[in-house]
Amino acid sequence: EDKVVQSPLSLVVHEGDTVTLNCSYEVTNFRSLLWYKQEKKAPTFLFMLTSSGIEKKSGRLSSILDKKELFSILNITATQTGDSAIYLCAVGTQGAQKLVFGQGTRLTINP
Amino acid sequence: EADIYQTPRYLVIGTGKKITLECSQTMGHDKMYWYQQDPGMELHLIHYSYGVNSTEKGDLSSESTVSRIRTEHFPLTLESARPSHTSQYLCASSEYARGWTEAFFGQGTRLTVV
Repeated sequence: EDKVVQSPLSLVVHEGDTVTLNCSYEVTNFRSLLWYKQEKKAPTFLFMLTSSGIEKKSGRLSSILDKKELFSILNITATQTGDSAIYLCAVGTQGAQKLVFGQGTRLTINP
Repeated sequence: EADIYQTPRYLVIGTGKKITLECSQTMGHDKMYWYQQDPGMELHLIHYSYGVNSTEKGDLSSESTVSRIRTEHFPLTLESARPSHTSQYLCASSEYARGWTEAFFGQGTRLTVV
């Protein structure tokens, strides 16, 4: 059974801190790994990673994939209260052509 | 901006009623999905579709059914709603050509069965 596991499940930090969110996976026919941010309603797309070792960056957020060790990390530097959200990791598979989501990490940034 | 729409956004309905949650996308995506998400919990895939006339059950068993008669439309139906069906239902679509592209999500339908 395809599985995506995120850690930690919950994280509370102060504004300005740097955080690292983890995502590990066990799937057949891995194709890509995606990160989403979910605030109130629908998840919004952050990154898609398909190749190992290539960092994707968008402002204070960055992410990298390790296909050998089957995990990805999402880094957020100089956190702001607006970064408070649930961060979801999903893996796309080739055979079944579906996206499997992890449980999410609930990130809370205190002022 | 993603062009995927769900209606209704909120629904409160009595036990035993039949309901259909609508999902439409205008991006021409072949792949569509229904996820169920309880507050603060993970997304569970309940149905997905590769394209017209294709539907598959997801990882979480669900009493709902889906249909895909048109590319842009992927409705989810509960024949007899129960309080245990109370949840948020998220619809998504994506394109799979040579590889995955991001999945776009609708705004969700929050269903409450009383």
